[in-house]
Amino acid sequence: NAGVMQNPRHLVRRRGQEARLRCSPMKGHSHVYWYRQLPEEGLKFMVYLQKENIIDESGMPKERFSAEFPKEGPSILRIQQVVRGDSAAYFCASSRTGERYGYTFGSGTRLTVV
Amino acid sequence: GQQVMQIPQYQHVQEGEDFTTYCNSSTTLSNIQWYKQRPGGHPVFLIQLVKSGEVKKQKRLTFQFGEAKKNSSLHITATQTTDVGTYFCAGYGGSQGNLIFGKGTKLSVKP
Repeated sequence: NAGVMQNPRHLVRRRGQEARLRCSPMKGHSHVYWYRQLPEEGLKFMVYLQKENIIDESGMPKERFSAEFPKEGPSILRIQQVVRGDSAAYFCASSRTGERYGYTFGSGTRLTVV
Repeated sequence: GQQVMQIPQYQHVQEGEDFTTYCNSSTTLSNIQWYKQRPGGHPVFLIQLVKSGEVKKQKRLTFQFGEAKKNSSLHITATQTTDVGTYFCAGYGGSQGNLIFGKGTKLSVKP
């Protein structure tokens, strides 16, 4: 029973490039959440998605950041024209439908912008 | 918007000592969750509290939810080196039900 799968684990990008982070939720989970974590900081909510729908993107910067969760395939968090300040750990979590269970987190993607 | 605050930010203890972290919300919570993140790892769900005044135990860990459902605490009895990590509380915020996390309490245990 695979948990939440995120890839890549580590991603290095030069300033101005694009970063694509992937997340496959746990089997049976249809809710996906993305969080950003800076070193020694807490988890900052970015976006909440269900299949083909963005439910809440209030925590995501309006520019350069986008997220999707297509009918088929993983959820994607896309960061265009990365800057040094985007360097962080990005965690994806999933949960069951319609009930307030705990989240299952993936191992995260550590993004470094050089 | 809703805020979840945790204190202390850091706690250093000698192995065998007790440890407590406190969580406060600016609004009444429907429930509260606790997570643990080991150094270099990802958050792992520990427990959810739902009822006012609820107390739950997991071995040496005791979780409490305040009567007003605006605060919570996690107490670890006789800490061990395996307890090292950051402990986060989280409550539901926003209209759509995503979790808002506190900044966490980082626990270090000296053997």
